[in-house]
Amino acid sequence: GQQLNQSPQSMFIQEGEDVSMNCTSSSIFNTWLWYKQDPGEGPVLLIALYKAGELTSNGRLTAQFGITRKDSFLNISASIPSDVGIYFCAAMNYGGSQGNLIFGKGTKLSVKP
Amino acid sequence: IAGITQAPTSQILAAGRRMTLRCTQDMRHNAMYWYRQDLGLGLRLIHYSNTAGTTGKGEVPDGYSVSRANTDDFPLTLASAVPSQTSVYFCASSEGRGAGYTFGSGTRLTVV
Repeated sequence: GQQLNQSPQSMFIQEGEDVSMNCTSSSIFNTWLWYKQDPGEGPVLLIALYKAGELTSNGRLTAQFGITRKDSFLNISASIPSDVGIYFCAAMNYGGSQGNLIFGKGTKLSVKP
Repeated sequence: IAGITQAPTSQILAAGRRMTLRCTQDMRHNAMYWYRQDLGLGLRLIHYSNTAGTTGKGEVPDGYSVSRANTDDFPLTLASAVPSQTSVYFCASSEGRGAGYTFGSGTRLTVV
């Protein structure tokens, strides 16, 4: 089946540093999403991308929908302790062969104050 | 507060027992989903429903069944639980048309 390869698996960074994570696939998607999951909670939508090449920001977060439609990245600038959590990329082809959301395996972010 | 309510929050279940995980949303979303989350495997789709009265199988449907009698409720049933069904289960909903999913807080199920 279709898979999303998310990297890195985990990151340990110092507060104030920038973070970058990405997600790739061998398949084309028309929708890419990024979620964050805090411990004991469900994933929460951070950014949704619907157009190849689209670059969207949400506060200190910036995500891009790759031109090839096979990848996406998420950047977090000036990290703070509350950025700790697991970040998931997700993708789907609304109206196409993969109409339901599939998820990457997540990037676990740890921030040292 | 609008959203998704899952119950129970956690459960320890003896193998072979039947269990229904409840999920209710108040956003009038057409589509609903059940995922399981396991360490190192991310979130995997079990079953989904694009609208009331219809259901479909996801990536890992075996051992689970669902029903969608109305828009708001989407229960997940384990007919005869096995230890490999130990997981955290998340219900989600979407208004469809490519919109992102809203997730509940999860049910942590341990089958012993």
